[in-house]
Amino acid sequence: QSALTQPASVSGSPGQSITISCTGTSSDVGVYKYVSWYQEHPGKAPRLMIYDVSNRPSGISNRFSGSKSGNTASLTISGVQAEDEADYFCSSYTRSSTWVFGGGTKLTVL
Amino acid sequence: QVQLQQSGPGLVKPSQTLSLTCAISGDSVSSNSAVWNWIRQSPSRGLEWLGRTYYRSKWYNDYAVSVKSRIIINPDTSKNQFSLQLNSVTPEDTAVYYCARVGIGYYFDSWGQGTLVTVSS
Repeated sequence: QSALTQPASVSGSPGQSITISCTGTSSDVGVYKYVSWYQEHPGKAPRLMIYDVSNRPSGISNRFSGSKSGNTASLTISGVQAEDEADYFCSSYTRSSTWVFGGGTKLTVL
Repeated sequence: QVQLQQSGPGLVKPSQTLSLTCAISGDSVSSNSAVWNWIRQSPSRGLEWLGRTYYRSKWYNDYAVSVKSRIIINPDTSKNQFSLQLNSVTPEDTAVYYCARVGIGYYFDSWGQGTLVTVSS
């Protein structure tokens, strides 16, 4: 049972926008701006896509954006492409000075 | 660019010790700003942060409550790497284990390639 709740799957056609939610508590997502998102392709190391709720690392497409409201953070992919098909998981720093993760969401590009 | 290369056995017997190593290139395990972590992923438990080691004039370690009694994370400055030891393993410890760096901030900006460790006799 993951500490942060994500939908198991989302799907979208090329060009559409999709949003993945990540719900935590007032001890993690709700208290800090330290939410990050990762992309994971099978057999490969996770890749940082968003940090501090809404910041993109260098080299990450501006099609990826993040936001937060209360205890729920969201990752939005605008104009989804076939190469975006992967698993996505969220992470948050906590009041206990540890990290918690979501269960992951499988994005299918139709 | 930081790269993390994991090594260690993929099969461990129940009650024995799981040992993995994460070799660092592009940074130093003794960095005064980085934090070096172990994380695991399994179908039953999802992603789970296990613990960290870091240097701030002296060495610090922090561990997840769920494994605190069984885990040791050690830096090795001579080889610029850090290791994970998890004692008294059970099949519940079967997972893909990752090492990961936290640089400036509270997010994992570099990851190892992952090691599937199966606990089975």
